[in-house]
Order: sequence, then C-alpha cells, then structure tokens
Amino acid sequence: RKEVEQDPGPFNVPEGATVAFNCTYSNSASQSFFWYRQDCRKEPKLLMSVYSSGNEDGRFTAQLNRASQYISLLIRDSKLSDSATYLCVVNQGGNQFYFGTGTSLTVIP
Amino acid sequence: EAGVTQFPSHSVIEKGQTVTLRCDPISGHDNLYWYRRVMGKEIKFLLHFVKESKQDESGMPNNRFLAERTGGTYSTLKVQPAELEDSGVYFCASSQFRANEKLFFGSGTQLSVL
Repeated sequence: RKEVEQDPGPFNVPEGATVAFNCTYSNSASQSFFWYRQDCRKEPKLLMSVYSSGNEDGRFTAQLNRASQYISLLIRDSKLSDSATYLCVVNQGGNQFYFGTGTSLTVIP
Repeated sequence: EAGVTQFPSHSVIEKGQTVTLRCDPISGHDNLYWYRRVMGKEIKFLLHFVKESKQDESGMPNNRFLAERTGGTYSTLKVQPAELEDSGVYFCASSQFRANEKLFFGSGTQLSVL
C-alpha cells in the first residue's frame, strides 16, 4: 500500500469554480502535512502547510482529518493561473517526506 | 536570496556511462535531500544529509548511486554505471533547521539513459 494516495485527476474546471482535492495517508503516526504545487516541468513549491485545526490562505483552504487519515485542499474562485499539479506530502516525524503522485488541475476560461 | 540550484538541468547518457549531478542548497540550510521521480510515479526519497553527514540513505536504489556532501555545502549524486531504469527527474531539496520542516526544491535534473 502506498504511503500517500491521491486521485490523479485530471480535474478540468471553469474559471470561478470551486474544486476540492483529497489525499489519504497510511501511517497514523504521521506528523506534518503539506500541499505542494508543481507547474509543468518545474520544481514543486510549497503551497501551504496543513494544521490540525485547518487553515486558510486567501482562496485556499486546507484541512486535516486525523481520524480518517485524510487531507483536503479546497480552491475557491479558480483562476487560470491555478492550473498545475497539486502534490500531497506527508512527513512521519523523521527525515522522509512521502509524496502522492499528484492531482492535475486545469482551469478553463 | 538564491534558491536551490541544480546542475545540469538535462543529461542524456548511454547505458553504462557515468553521470554526476550537483545540488547547491540555500545558504545556511543544514538539511539536504535528494529525491527522484520516474515517469508516471510519485516523487521518492533517496537520501538525506545533515550538514556533511548522511542521515538516512535508505532510499538509494543500489550501490551504483553515490552521494556526497563534502564540507556540508553543495552535494553531488553520482550514478555509475547508469542503467535504463535510472532515467527520471532528480530533485534536490533543502530545509533550514528541523528535518520535518518545509522543503525548498531545486528545478531538478532530467536524466535520460539510452
């Protein structure tokens, strides 16, 4: 079983739409959670950390459900510039980060 | 502030040849990681340095891979001899203090073994 599982998509949504991605992780002892964004042929860049109480950054909201071992990312009012691959990343408290395969989002004009 | 830099951005070599990838982390970042993404798969951990010491190299595929970080600054990852299955994108990342802090990635080296 993979450490981190994501729906690969692709998600194709119109501008202005709200879209949500989920990610599940297998190790209940996981401690740190992140969403990274990766543009085509570019490096992953941190979008936001995910905190137990949930957190929001502008149009982006991240939530953590430890009981069900999943993380979510909600994007409101989608922009064309949001088109990218979104990577769910989990750290189990050591030095290894586990990546999902990524969810592809395309925002359509 | 300069980010994580990697060189070369692309490398095309033949099976059996040797390739050396270089990573310069963000200045002052003690933690340096190598990751690899092969086609269609997730990014996977290779190894982790804390300064010049190898903290964890459990992700290294086999002994054809050798990573070094002399002096605790830049790091190299050598593949010798390269095999077809080594093709992929090799990312370097660094973080400043704790090992589970957010990572800053380099733009990666696309390695193609023919």
